[in-house]
Amino acid sequence: GNSVTQMEGPVTLSEEAFLTINCTYTATGYPSLFWYVQYPGEGLQLLLKATKADDKGSNKGFEATYRKETTSFHLEKGSVQVSDSAVYFCALNPGGYQKVTFGTGTKLQVIP
Amino acid sequence: DVKVTQSSRYLVKRTGEKVFLECVQDMDHENMFWYRQDPGLGLRLIYFSYDVKMKEKGDIPEGYSVSREKKERFSLILESASTNQTSMYLCASSSALGQVETQYFGPGTRLLVL
Repeated sequence: GNSVTQMEGPVTLSEEAFLTINCTYTATGYPSLFWYVQYPGEGLQLLLKATKADDKGSNKGFEATYRKETTSFHLEKGSVQVSDSAVYFCALNPGGYQKVTFGTGTKLQVIP
Repeated sequence: DVKVTQSSRYLVKRTGEKVFLECVQDMDHENMFWYRQDPGLGLRLIYFSYDVKMKEKGDIPEGYSVSREKKERFSLILESASTNQTSMYLCASSSALGQVETQYFGPGTRLLVL
């Protein structure tokens, strides 16, 4: 079956540090890949997505590239802010009637 | 603006009670989902629905049922609440089942079963 593996958290960074959150997946076919973010007390919201190999998704300074050869979709940001403190979920969507598979989430804490 | 609302942010119930969690979306989406979120386990799919009166079991349907009588509303029912159902419940919707589709989430209901 499909699966998503994220790095364990929590991740604690100082403001303006570089962020990487690793995500690898296993899937049959050609799923789309997503990063969702959950701010404290809220539901998940889409951060970015990529729908095919070598696509790069980007939003709010975050980026992730769909790497089929390494089955990865790592999230990066060059300079984090306190307001980026949240839980980040990697997910894959195979399409059709197959369910979306979410990773376990990585909590990011950014300290001033 | 896309909106998914859930009837309660916090609920406290007793063991054995019947619990209803309501979710409403205003985007005319075909598909709706119920997840539970637990620390270290991420999101697990309980049930989903791809049309009115249609439902499909997810990964952990035991102890739950759902109802979708109208397109915009998807209800999760705990027939007889138990302490192991204490969790955060998230509702989501999407416009289609294509692989590029984004899911839109409500704010969640944190349920405590005593």
